[in-house]
Amino acid sequence: DIQMTQSPSSVSASVGDRVTITCRASQGISSWLAWFQQKPGKAPKLLIYAASSLQSGVPSRFSGSGSGTDFTLTISSLQPEDFATYYCQQANSFPRTFGQGTKVEIK
Amino acid sequence: EVQLVESGGGLVKPGGSLRLSCAASRFTFSTYSMNWVRQAPGKGLEWVSSITSSSTYIYYADSVKGRFTISRDNAKNSLYLQMNSLRAEDTAVYYCAREPGSGWLDYWGQGTLVTVSS
Repeated sequence: DIQMTQSPSSVSASVGDRVTITCRASQGISSWLAWFQQKPGKAPKLLIYAASSLQSGVPSRFSGSGSGTDFTLTISSLQPEDFATYYCQQANSFPRTFGQGTKVEIK
Repeated sequence: EVQLVESGGGLVKPGGSLRLSCAASRFTFSTYSMNWVRQAPGKGLEWVSSITSSSTYIYYADSVKGRFTISRDNAKNSLYLQMNSLRAEDTAVYYCAREPGSGWLDYWGQGTLVTVSS
Protein backbone atom coordinates (compact mmCIF):
# COMPACT_ATOMS: atom_id res chain seq x y z
CA ASP A 1 0.00 0.00 0.00
CA ILE A 2 1.12 3.56 -0.65
CA GLN A 3 1.57 5.55 2.56
CA MET A 4 0.82 9.27 2.51
CA THR A 5 2.55 11.45 5.08
CA GLN A 6 1.51 15.05 5.63
CA SER A 7 3.42 17.76 7.44
CA PRO A 8 2.94 19.57 9.61
CA SER A 9 0.15 17.91 11.59
CA SER A 10 -1.09 21.33 12.59
CA VAL A 11 -0.22 24.93 11.83
CA SER A 12 -1.22 28.15 13.53
CA ALA A 13 -1.59 31.08 11.18
CA SER A 14 -3.20 34.48 10.91
CA VAL A 15 -5.59 35.85 8.33
CA GLY A 16 -3.57 36.96 5.33
CA ASP A 17 -0.70 34.54 5.95
CA ARG A 18 0.68 32.23 3.29
CA VAL A 19 0.32 28.62 4.38
CA THR A 20 2.04 25.60 2.84
CA ILE A 21 1.21 21.97 3.59
CA THR A 22 3.31 19.12 2.27
CA CYS A 23 2.38 15.55 1.42
CA ARG A 24 4.87 12.78 0.71
CA ALA A 25 4.02 9.46 -0.91
CA SER A 26 5.94 6.31 0.02
CA GLN A 27 6.41 5.59 -3.68
CA GLY A 28 5.99 7.54 -6.89
CA ILE A 29 2.43 8.41 -7.84
CA SER A 30 3.09 10.72 -10.79
CA SER A 31 0.39 13.42 -10.46
CA TRP A 32 -2.30 11.17 -9.02
CA LEU A 33 -2.94 13.33 -5.99
CA ALA A 34 -5.92 15.22 -4.62
CA TRP A 35 -6.34 17.69 -1.77
CA PHE A 36 -9.47 18.01 0.38
CA GLN A 37 -10.67 20.52 2.94
CA GLN A 38 -12.86 19.40 5.83
CA LYS A 39 -14.61 21.56 8.40
CA PRO A 40 -15.96 20.15 11.68
CA GLY A 41 -19.12 18.10 11.20
CA LYS A 42 -19.00 18.47 7.43
CA ALA A 43 -18.06 16.25 4.53
CA PRO A 44 -14.69 16.73 2.85
CA LYS A 45 -14.56 19.09 -0.13
CA LEU A 46 -12.33 18.52 -3.15
CA LEU A 47 -9.95 21.44 -3.68
CA ILE A 48 -7.24 20.18 -6.03
CA TYR A 49 -6.99 17.13 -8.29
CA ALA A 50 -4.23 15.81 -10.51
CA ALA A 51 -1.79 17.52 -8.12
CA SER A 52 -2.33 21.02 -9.49
CA SER A 53 -5.78 21.33 -11.10
CA LEU A 54 -8.18 23.59 -9.24
CA GLN A 55 -11.63 22.11 -8.74
CA SER A 56 -14.45 24.24 -10.13
CA GLY A 57 -15.65 26.87 -7.67
CA VAL A 58 -12.56 26.73 -5.46
CA PRO A 59 -10.92 30.12 -4.85
CA SER A 60 -7.69 30.79 -6.72
CA ARG A 61 -5.78 31.40 -3.47
CA PHE A 62 -5.55 27.60 -3.28
CA SER A 63 -2.88 25.98 -5.42
CA GLY A 64 -1.18 22.61 -5.64
CA SER A 65 2.14 21.49 -7.00
CA GLY A 66 4.45 18.52 -7.17
CA SER A 67 4.78 15.15 -8.82
CA GLY A 68 6.31 11.81 -8.05
CA THR A 69 6.53 11.61 -4.27
CA ASP A 70 6.48 15.21 -3.02
CA PHE A 71 3.49 17.55 -3.18
CA THR A 72 2.41 20.84 -1.69
CA LEU A 73 -0.84 22.66 -1.07
CA THR A 74 -0.49 26.42 -0.75
CA ILE A 75 -3.02 28.93 0.50
CA SER A 76 -1.65 32.25 -0.71
CA SER A 77 -3.58 34.51 1.68
CA LEU A 78 -5.43 32.72 4.46
CA GLN A 79 -9.06 33.74 4.89
CA PRO A 80 -11.29 33.16 7.96
CA GLU A 81 -13.23 30.44 6.13
CA ASP A 82 -10.01 28.49 5.43
CA PHE A 83 -9.52 27.37 9.01
CA ALA A 84 -10.11 23.64 8.63
CA THR A 85 -8.34 20.30 8.30
CA TYR A 86 -6.71 19.43 4.98
CA TYR A 87 -6.07 15.95 3.61
CA CYS A 88 -4.11 14.65 0.65
CA GLN A 89 -5.18 11.43 -1.12
CA GLN A 90 -3.40 9.32 -3.70
CA ALA A 91 -5.36 7.97 -6.66
CA ASN A 92 -2.47 6.09 -8.28
CA SER A 93 -3.54 2.67 -7.11
CA PHE A 94 -5.82 0.71 -4.83
CA PRO A 95 -6.21 0.87 -1.92
CA ARG A 96 -6.72 4.61 -2.08
CA THR A 97 -4.95 6.20 0.87
CA PHE A 98 -5.19 9.53 2.65
CA GLY A 99 -2.68 11.52 4.60
CA GLN A 100 -3.31 11.89 8.31
CA GLY A 101 -4.51 15.47 7.95
CA THR A 102 -3.20 18.96 8.70
CA LYS A 103 -5.24 21.21 10.94
CA VAL A 104 -4.98 24.90 10.14
CA GLU A 105 -5.76 26.86 13.27
CA ILE A 106 -6.16 30.51 14.13
CA LYS A 107 -3.05 32.10 15.61
CA GLU B 1 -26.46 20.48 -7.88
CA VAL B 2 -25.31 16.90 -7.32
CA GLN B 3 -26.93 15.33 -4.29
CA LEU B 4 -25.82 12.27 -2.34
CA VAL B 5 -27.81 11.23 0.72
CA GLU B 6 -26.65 8.38 2.94
CA SER B 7 -28.94 6.42 5.24
CA GLY B 8 -29.01 3.23 7.25
CA GLY B 9 -26.55 4.05 10.00
CA GLY B 10 -27.23 3.35 13.64
CA LEU B 11 -26.21 1.39 16.71
CA VAL B 12 -25.36 -2.28 16.22
CA LYS B 13 -23.76 -4.90 18.46
CA PRO B 14 -20.38 -6.42 17.65
CA GLY B 15 -20.83 -9.23 15.17
CA GLY B 16 -23.99 -7.67 13.80
CA SER B 17 -24.87 -6.43 10.33
CA LEU B 18 -26.01 -3.19 8.78
CA ARG B 19 -26.78 -2.04 5.25
CA LEU B 20 -25.99 1.51 4.24
CA SER B 21 -27.62 3.20 1.28
CA CYS B 22 -26.67 6.26 -0.72
CA ALA B 23 -29.35 7.90 -2.86
CA ALA B 24 -27.97 9.88 -5.77
CA SER B 25 -29.71 12.60 -7.73
CA ARG B 26 -29.11 15.45 -10.16
CA PHE B 27 -26.52 13.60 -12.20
CA THR B 28 -26.33 10.54 -14.42
CA PHE B 29 -25.53 8.01 -11.70
CA SER B 30 -24.95 5.12 -14.07
CA THR B 31 -21.92 6.76 -15.67
CA TYR B 32 -19.88 7.31 -12.50
CA SER B 33 -17.80 5.14 -10.24
CA MET B 34 -18.76 5.45 -6.59
CA ASN B 35 -16.91 5.08 -3.32
CA TRP B 36 -17.40 4.66 0.41
CA VAL B 37 -15.06 6.51 2.74
CA ARG B 38 -15.26 6.45 6.53
CA GLN B 39 -14.05 8.57 9.41
CA ALA B 40 -13.80 7.28 12.95
CA PRO B 41 -14.64 9.83 15.66
CA GLY B 42 -11.84 12.39 15.90
CA LYS B 43 -9.75 10.57 13.30
CA GLY B 44 -8.77 10.97 9.68
CA LEU B 45 -10.33 9.72 6.47
CA GLU B 46 -10.15 6.05 5.47
CA TRP B 47 -11.13 4.80 2.02
CA VAL B 48 -13.37 1.71 2.30
CA SER B 49 -14.52 0.55 -1.13
CA SER B 50 -14.98 1.50 -4.77
CA ILE B 51 -17.28 0.24 -7.53
CA THR B 52 -17.16 1.15 -11.21
CA SER B 53 -20.18 2.39 -13.14
CA SER B 54 -21.33 -1.03 -14.35
CA SER B 55 -20.09 -2.90 -11.28
CA THR B 56 -17.36 -4.48 -13.40
CA TYR B 57 -14.60 -3.67 -10.96
CA ILE B 58 -14.86 -3.61 -7.18
CA TYR B 59 -12.15 -2.84 -4.67
CA TYR B 60 -11.95 -3.00 -0.88
CA ALA B 61 -9.65 -1.90 1.88
CA ASP B 62 -7.97 -4.83 3.59
CA SER B 63 -9.65 -3.80 6.85
CA VAL B 64 -13.12 -4.65 5.47
CA LYS B 65 -12.40 -7.28 2.83
CA GLY B 66 -14.53 -10.38 3.35
CA ARG B 67 -16.92 -8.55 5.69
CA PHE B 68 -18.27 -5.65 3.61
CA THR B 69 -19.90 -5.79 0.17
CA ILE B 70 -20.39 -2.78 -2.07
CA SER B 71 -23.11 -2.83 -4.71
CA ARG B 72 -25.21 -0.48 -6.78
CA ASP B 73 -28.55 -0.34 -8.55
CA ASN B 74 -28.31 2.04 -11.48
CA ALA B 75 -32.05 1.82 -12.13
CA LYS B 76 -32.64 3.16 -8.62
CA ASN B 77 -29.70 5.61 -8.61
CA SER B 78 -28.50 3.98 -5.42
CA LEU B 79 -25.26 2.77 -3.89
CA TYR B 80 -25.10 0.26 -1.05
CA LEU B 81 -22.68 -1.06 1.54
CA GLN B 82 -23.57 -4.33 3.24
CA MET B 83 -21.57 -4.56 6.44
CA ASN B 84 -21.34 -7.90 8.25
CA SER B 85 -19.36 -9.13 11.25
CA LEU B 86 -19.09 -5.59 12.51
CA ARG B 87 -16.39 -4.67 14.99
CA ALA B 88 -15.92 -1.78 17.39
CA GLU B 89 -13.25 -0.39 15.08
CA ASP B 90 -15.85 -0.04 12.31
CA THR B 91 -17.47 2.76 14.30
CA ALA B 92 -17.33 5.81 12.04
CA VAL B 93 -19.21 8.24 9.89
CA TYR B 94 -19.59 6.63 6.47
CA TYR B 95 -19.61 8.87 3.42
CA CYS B 96 -20.48 7.99 -0.14
CA ALA B 97 -18.56 9.92 -2.77
CA ARG B 98 -18.79 10.28 -6.51
CA GLU B 99 -15.78 9.55 -8.68
CA PRO B 100 -15.84 11.09 -12.17
CA GLY B 101 -12.83 9.04 -13.15
CA SER B 102 -9.17 8.83 -12.29
CA GLY B 103 -9.79 8.51 -8.57
CA TRP B 104 -10.96 12.03 -7.78
CA LEU B 105 -13.86 12.19 -5.31
CA ASP B 106 -15.66 15.33 -6.36
CA TYR B 107 -18.96 15.17 -4.44
CA TRP B 108 -19.64 13.68 -1.03
CA GLY B 109 -22.78 12.99 0.94
CA GLN B 110 -23.31 14.33 4.45
CA GLY B 111 -22.46 10.97 6.01
CA THR B 112 -24.22 8.43 8.22
CA LEU B 113 -22.95 7.37 11.64
CA VAL B 114 -22.40 3.71 12.40
CA THR B 115 -21.75 2.83 16.03
CA VAL B 116 -20.68 -0.70 16.93
CA SER B 117 -21.04 -1.26 20.64
CA SER B 118 -22.53 -3.72 23.08
